[in-house]
Amino acid sequence: GDSVTQMEGPVTLSEEAFLTINCTYTATGYPSLFWYVQYPGEGLQLLLKATKADDKGSNKGFEATYRKETTSFHLEKGSVQVSDSAVYFCALSDSNAGNMLTFGGGTRLMVKP
Amino acid sequence: EAQVTQNPRYLITVTGKKLTVTCSQNMNHEYMSWYRQDPGLGLRQIYYSMNVEVTDKGDVPEGYKVSRKEKRNFPLILESPSPNQTSLYFCASSLRFRIDSQQEHSNQPQHFGDGTRLSIL
Repeated sequence: GDSVTQMEGPVTLSEEAFLTINCTYTATGYPSLFWYVQYPGEGLQLLLKATKADDKGSNKGFEATYRKETTSFHLEKGSVQVSDSAVYFCALSDSNAGNMLTFGGGTRLMVKP
Repeated sequence: EAQVTQNPRYLITVTGKKLTVTCSQNMNHEYMSWYRQDPGLGLRQIYYSMNVEVTDKGDVPEGYKVSRKEKRNFPLILESPSPNQTSLYFCASSLRFRIDSQQEHSNQPQHFGDGTRLSIL
């Protein structure tokens, strides 16, 4: 079945540091890939998405490129801020499985001033 | 404002006492689903619904029921709650996915509610 694996946290960075959160996946169909962010006490918000190989999703300074050859969708940001502190979830939606989302375990990011 | 609304946000109850968590969306979305979030396990899908009167099991359906009598509502029912159902629950909705071709497809992003924290004693 489908699965998503992302690096375990917590990830602790200083403000303005470079961020990478690794995400790899396995899927049987043609998945769309997503990053969701969960701020404390809130639900999940879509951060960015990519629907086919080599697509790059970007939003709020975050980027992730859909790499079919390495089955990866790593999240990056050049300069993190304290307000980026949250839990980040990588997810896929497989075309063979309707719109069902399969999530990774989540990575907590803590950014210190 | 487009939103997914869950109620209640917090609930503490006892084993065996039936409870319902409501979910309502105002975006005319066909697809709705329920997830539970547990430490170290991420989000796991409980049930989903492709449209009115169409529901199906997700990865962890045991102990839960759902119904989809109207497009906007998708309540989650725990007939006899147990402590292992203590968790944070999220409802989500989206437009139906569509496939344009074998190579391009458009799985629509899901919109999530703010969550319901259930504690079963």
